[in-house]
Amino acid sequence: AQSVSQHNHHVILSEAASLELGCNYSYGGTVNLFWYVQYPGQHLQLLLKYFSGDPLVKGIKGFEAEFIKSKFSFNLRKPSVQWSDTAEYFCAVTGALSGGYNKLIFGAGTRLAVHP
Amino acid sequence: ETGVTQSPTHLIKTRGQQVTLRCSSQSGHNTVSWYQQALGQGPQFIFQYYREEENGRGNFPPRFSGLQFPNYSSELNVNALELDDSALYLCASRFDREVAFFGQGTRLTVV
Repeated sequence: AQSVSQHNHHVILSEAASLELGCNYSYGGTVNLFWYVQYPGQHLQLLLKYFSGDPLVKGIKGFEAEFIKSKFSFNLRKPSVQWSDTAEYFCAVTGALSGGYNKLIFGAGTRLAVHP
Repeated sequence: ETGVTQSPTHLIKTRGQQVTLRCSSQSGHNTVSWYQQALGQGPQFIFQYYREEENGRGNFPPRFSGLQFPNYSSELNVNALELDDSALYLCASRFDREVAFFGQGTRLTVV
């Protein structure tokens, strides 16, 4: 079955530190990849997405992610985090063979805390 | 603000009862999906409706059912509630294969 693994459940950083959150998926077909963020008390918001083309994707708020097909990975990066980046981050995938492009399959999430 | 609204925001029910959760999709979106997010986990796909027909379902029992209305609003119904049904229920809407936009969720507590 298709699955998504996020390597870190909790990450604690100081402001201005660099961030990399790992995401691996188990799926051999064509996929669309997403990173969503959930700020405290708010709804899930799309940070960035990859459908095709340039594997380095830039999203909102200075985030970027790189799709490495050979490693089935889609890691999220930010060169310098801010206190306001404190949130939970979810990697998600959808694909043609997961019952169509019907469902997003999410990882368990990574809770990021940024200290001033 | 995503344009997807859910009601109620919080709900407490007793085991064995039935519950209906509601979602109003973003204007122009023809597809709505429902997800269950248990504490400490990522959202799990329940089912999806496209133009009022269910066209995808996750590993949830039949006591989880839904409806989509002509105005693309939607309901999630859960019968015979169990303690493990306690979770945040998320509604997401989109147009065809475009990106899904999520509502703020309904927090259901079953006691």
